[in-house]
Amino acid sequence: DAGVTQSPTHLIKTRGQQVTLRCSPISGHKSVSWYQQVLGQGPQFIFQYYEKEERGRGNFPDRFSARQFPNYSSELNVNALLLGDSALYLCASSPITFNSGSETQYFGPGTRLLVL
Amino acid sequence: DAKTTQPNSMESNEEEPVHLPCNHSTISGTDYIHWYRQLPSQGPEYVIHGLTSNVNNRMASLAIAEDRKSSTLILHRATLRDAAVYYCILRAPGAGSYQLTFGKGTKLSVIP
Repeated sequence: DAGVTQSPTHLIKTRGQQVTLRCSPISGHKSVSWYQQVLGQGPQFIFQYYEKEERGRGNFPDRFSARQFPNYSSELNVNALLLGDSALYLCASSPITFNSGSETQYFGPGTRLLVL
Repeated sequence: DAKTTQPNSMESNEEEPVHLPCNHSTISGTDYIHWYRQLPSQGPEYVIHGLTSNVNNRMASLAIAEDRKSSTLILHRATLRDAAVYYCILRAPGAGSYQLTFGKGTKLSVIP
């Protein structure tokens, strides 16, 4: 079975531009989460979507937005890019439909964004 | 989610066992202990999780202290492929998102 896929793999943008990152979850997974990982740090939670509804949001500005489509794929949008947005953006999917604390998340390889 | 403390880095010789410690003194009774690892240039990968009892799977073993204030991830025979950053994460059940709160983790180096 295919794992979580993300596109593009790499992206270079300039300050002020907008970017859209895409994620396809593992077949059958209805939950998608997005994380940002800057160099040398652990991933930081941005959003979680389940059944097309936002279920959680991390401490990120409104420039960050996301949505989930009927096929459970997801997009992360970042507007007015700043140099500090340069990072690896990770998507994760999960098969579980309730939050018992034991759910496993499956991560994609990430999209590496460089803002110049 | 409660906080975890891990050493910044550890070294191991290839084919020897590795014990990666994690302290979580403020853990609550319903928090699950999860371990993920991140190989270079890849996304994090699930390793193992547990609640109270020790757990084994094909990748590793998880030993949980009786008071649950610490745990140890055990790799029985380290290989070069096990060189990665290992994250110990606590997750509480209940309403809300499935977010994982990552710290800086432990960078494991495996010496051939």
